[in-house]
Amino acid sequence: QQPVQSPQAVILREGEDAVINCSSSKALYSVHWYRQKHGEAPVFLMILLKGGEQKGHEKISASFNEKKQQSSLYLTASQLSYSGTYFCGTVPLSGGSNYKLTFGKGTLLTVNP
Amino acid sequence: DTEVTQTPKHLVMGMTNKKSLKCEQHMGHRAMYWYKQKAKKPPELMFVYSYEKLSINESVPSRFSPECPNSSLLNLHLHALQPEDSALYLCASSQDPRESRAERHNEQFFGPGTRLTVL
Repeated sequence: QQPVQSPQAVILREGEDAVINCSSSKALYSVHWYRQKHGEAPVFLMILLKGGEQKGHEKISASFNEKKQQSSLYLTASQLSYSGTYFCGTVPLSGGSNYKLTFGKGTLLTVNP
Repeated sequence: DTEVTQTPKHLVMGMTNKKSLKCEQHMGHRAMYWYKQKAKKPPELMFVYSYEKLSINESVPSRFSPECPNSSLLNLHLHALQPEDSALYLCASSQDPRESRAERHNEQFFGPGTRLTVL
């Protein structure tokens, strides 16, 4: 089942913060985050494997709330290079394939000068 | 080398043509994937190969025929496509989730894609 991402789109000025959410109706084993710039391939950002886990990559971090079946991606002090579409991909705790990521519809992030 | 390469970058074909898309990786990954992506949509999984064997076919029409000649190469053979098959075709690779070190997670590395137009 496809995870639900929110918001669908967000526009920021450089230096502002943003949060992108990814919710699932199924219990999750892992959540993966990717960023795709226009005309390019998706680029892996991070995987969250355990409930409550938080990870960071420079000014981009994420959390995974197992009970809420939700992950959030935090972009701090956004840069122009952060612009793109952010996808979360989920692997269910049971009943799914470990090979198959189900992607959300994406969140279009635009950072303006 | 953490790169997945795909050729060609762009492809225009008629509905009666036969063509092939190619994908290559040298990261030692034993899982390889084909995705289809339409504009403003997420990637949709088509096929998964694990150790050169077809593991998942997401009910893809037979006009798409995947092939994995060896652990580094993945092909997608195209025949009698329809205009609605026009899309970006992405290849990806990862550690195989069955490998103990992969711990059921599979960070996927995507290639740049082939932009396919069917006339």
